[in-house]
Amino acid sequence: EPEVTQTPSHQVTQMGQEVILRCVPISNHLYFYWYRQILGQKVEFLVSFYNNEISEKSEIFDDQFSVERPDGSNFTLKIRSTKLEDSAMYFCASRGAGGSGNEQFFGPGTRLTVL
Amino acid sequence: AQSVTQLGSHVSVSEGALVLLRCNYSSSVPPYLFWYVQYPNQGLQLLLKYTSAATLVKGINGFEAEFKKSETSFHLTKPSAHMSDAAEYFCAVSVTGGGNKLTFGTGTQLKVEL
Repeated sequence: EPEVTQTPSHQVTQMGQEVILRCVPISNHLYFYWYRQILGQKVEFLVSFYNNEISEKSEIFDDQFSVERPDGSNFTLKIRSTKLEDSAMYFCASRGAGGSGNEQFFGPGTRLTVL
Repeated sequence: AQSVTQLGSHVSVSEGALVLLRCNYSSSVPPYLFWYVQYPNQGLQLLLKYTSAATLVKGINGFEAEFKKSETSFHLTKPSAHMSDAAEYFCAVSVTGGGNKLTFGTGTQLKVEL
């Protein structure tokens, strides 16, 4: 069964460093998402991406964040200068064509720890 | 903007007992509603979804949910809990338009006791 994959599973970085989180969505999907979950809190939407551009972003997704689909398979989230409060689990999701009733498939997540 | 409220951050049931996890939504347009389950140190797995077809939706692992527009609710139930159901459950809402993002509730941790 097709699945969303994410690498690395765990990333430890120093405050102020740049990190890139990688995702490989399901191959025929067209809509891509990043969410994050701070430990013990709910899952929060960061950004959605369609047709090579951001379609919506949350207030969390400030200038320190960027997303890219550098080739036909990868979807990345970059944090330019990490802060302690960026420590969280980051989930990538993808969705196929059709209405928003279609399921978003989630990857296993990348746990980001900022020291 | 849409939102979801999950009543009860922790629910504890005995094995074999009824599971009832509550979810109420707020949306100015017809919503799509989802229940996801998260096992420890894992990602989110879809249990079931409501997409304006049948109001009673059946999902995986014996779970079902009923969409009640008059009550703006989408509660998750299972007739008989199993130890393997212990996990965190998230209700989420999406609407057509924009990026079709999911807006999640705060989650309910389900504990199943012998």
